[in-house]
Amino acid sequence: DSGVTQTPKHLITATGQRVTLRCSPRSGDLSVYWYQQSLDQGLQFLIQYYNGEERAKGNILERFSAQQFPDLHSELNLSSLELGDSALYFCASSVNGAYNEQFFGPGTRLTVL
Amino acid sequence: AQTVTQSQPEMSVQEAETVTLSCTYDTSENNYYLFWYKQPPSRQMILVIRQEAYKQQNATENRFSVNFQKAAKSFSLKISDSQLGDTAMYFCAFNSNTGNQFYFGTGTSLTVIP
Repeated sequence: DSGVTQTPKHLITATGQRVTLRCSPRSGDLSVYWYQQSLDQGLQFLIQYYNGEERAKGNILERFSAQQFPDLHSELNLSSLELGDSALYFCASSVNGAYNEQFFGPGTRLTVL
Repeated sequence: AQTVTQSQPEMSVQEAETVTLSCTYDTSENNYYLFWYKQPPSRQMILVIRQEAYKQQNATENRFSVNFQKAAKSFSLKISDSQLGDTAMYFCAFNSNTGNQFYFGTGTSLTVIP
């Protein structure tokens, strides 16, 4: 158990809908990262937050947005969902986002029908 | 921009044997950190080992060790005495001392054959 929690574990929805994925980092970790992993593919970095502020942005679509709250949990919002958005979405946390290793949550499997 | 390349999409090894997974990276920075993550069929991402670029000594964690060649920008993972539980996807990752983004390779799928 990495100490990072993600909810829900599974999510099935329809095209055009909007969903929210939630992540709670390890106690003491200030950085939260979001990744997308499509079937049999590597990890695509989406976005990073540090202590409530956006710090780095990767290949995140405009239909996607995220935020980190004062209690350091983070939410990833996916809207106008398409079939291609079906993937495993990981959240990871680290102490300060520089050289520390990331600890990954179990992921949320999103299926868009 | 940093890039991480894993040129071996799939590998297999006999149980109890040794296998080496390759990883190369490209960066203009001098201080950075390298990691190997394991993703078993459960899809959980697990840190296997990490290496600080300023350290010349190769990192070792039990049966896992790395061969870090800074000049060649190479960071290979050696698994000794392979076990069935080592069957997983292995990802190499890079993080600079100044950057905030982790860069992951495309992964190597390792199968340990009994």
